[in-house]
Amino acid sequence: AQTVTQSQPEMSVQEAETVTLSCTYDTSESDYYLFWYKQPPSRQMILVIRQEAYKQQNATENRFSVNFQKAAKSFSLKISDSQLGDAAMYFCGGTGGTSYGKLTFGQGTILTVHP
Amino acid sequence: DTGVSQNPRHKITKRGQNVTFRCDPISEHNRLYWYRQTLGQGPEFLTYFQNEAQLEKSRLLSDRFSAERPKGSFSTLEIQRTEQGDSAMYLCASSHQEGSYTFGSGTRLTVV
Repeated sequence: AQTVTQSQPEMSVQEAETVTLSCTYDTSESDYYLFWYKQPPSRQMILVIRQEAYKQQNATENRFSVNFQKAAKSFSLKISDSQLGDAAMYFCGGTGGTSYGKLTFGQGTILTVHP
Repeated sequence: DTGVSQNPRHKITKRGQNVTFRCDPISEHNRLYWYRQTLGQGPEFLTYFQNEAQLEKSRLLSDRFSAERPKGSFSTLEIQRTEQGDSAMYLCASSHQEGSYTFGSGTRLTVV
């Protein structure tokens, strides 16, 4: 992606509830990848979920799923049955639009999970 | 293989000093990326290596920054004449193909 925008600086959710994090992107490429990464205070970037743009089906990984709207260039993350360990900074990122598969990230969304 | 390793984890340096960071990627990964992340922001791309060749550099990478990847294995990122604005987390990631990346834990630089 050439640009990635996360419009929610902070979100909060009650434990066991569902939360959706928003992301929009812009790219001139037809083939690219989109990602959600989680970054806890330990600072390690951990892959949450990946979507290949040519795939119509939304990616899912256990409690995590995405709503990929290619025409709208939207890529939101839904976390179901939220757990305390989900609390972290979440970054949306994408490839494409530039060479060599480099990732462009959004500004991040801080997720707080309340017990 | 224990993933992408970065050293040191933390570095405090005085303004004007030179610093060097090291990244050891996953051994079979031929692609290596450096990113810089300031507090509360997303990582920003700095530079990319495919094997030993540095194929792309961001405009963020001023002439005080240099990166190498001799023999296509580990990589070093050097910052000369550090400035307070260089204070950030420096992240390394490696990949064997587009769409799959492993990040290291980063080196946190503080310039005082």
